[in-house]
Amino acid sequence: GAVVSQHPSWVICKSGTSVKIECRSLDFQATTMFWYRQFPKQSLMLMATSNEGSKATYEQGVEKDKFLINHASLTLSTLTVTSAHPEDSSFYICSAGAGGTEAFFGQGTRLTVV
Amino acid sequence: LAKTTQPISMDSYEGQEVNITCSHNNIATNDYITWYQQFPSQGPRFIIQGYKTKVTNEVASLFIPADRKSSTLSLPRVSLSDTAVYYCLVVGESGYSTLTFGKGTMLLVSP
Repeated sequence: GAVVSQHPSWVICKSGTSVKIECRSLDFQATTMFWYRQFPKQSLMLMATSNEGSKATYEQGVEKDKFLINHASLTLSTLTVTSAHPEDSSFYICSAGAGGTEAFFGQGTRLTVV
Repeated sequence: LAKTTQPISMDSYEGQEVNITCSHNNIATNDYITWYQQFPSQGPRFIIQGYKTKVTNEVASLFIPADRKSSTLSLPRVSLSDTAVYYCLVVGESGYSTLTFGKGTMLLVSP
């Protein structure tokens, strides 16, 4: 199947700093990518839809100025958590489709804000 | 988007067959049923997808009755490494689009 890669796998940052997470489709082009957040023992919650060449679409309750999404190419979307706080600590996962009805997920990024 | 309901947790032993049932009463005509597996601290992994009747691959089987209001994921002869959370999702024909994840089923396989 298609491969979606996230980087980094884990990151620790200080409160108030910004962190960038990359999501790459390695062997296919993705005009749309999706960003999810998952807290411990909970399900995945969709944060936003990343559209290549246009603005991202955010789900209700997700602050677009805090979670900046850039989808500058057909193989790369980035999520930047700005001015991170401990409550932003979570597992962030991206996904993309390769044209069919199957979604391919990255391995996730564990963010810990101290 | 069709809502799905599945058991919160299930227990099994190695070598047994595990069947996880998911209900999706409001599934639309063009929707597919898709199952994902997630291990701790990893992204979900596609297991199987079907529209009706039965689908089988090297990992699992998916049984879908004629009314399509439910589906059953069957894992033959589970092993310890099958311990994971299993999500049942309903996906529109136009593509996976935005996936709505329910709580999933935590399967614990014991020796």
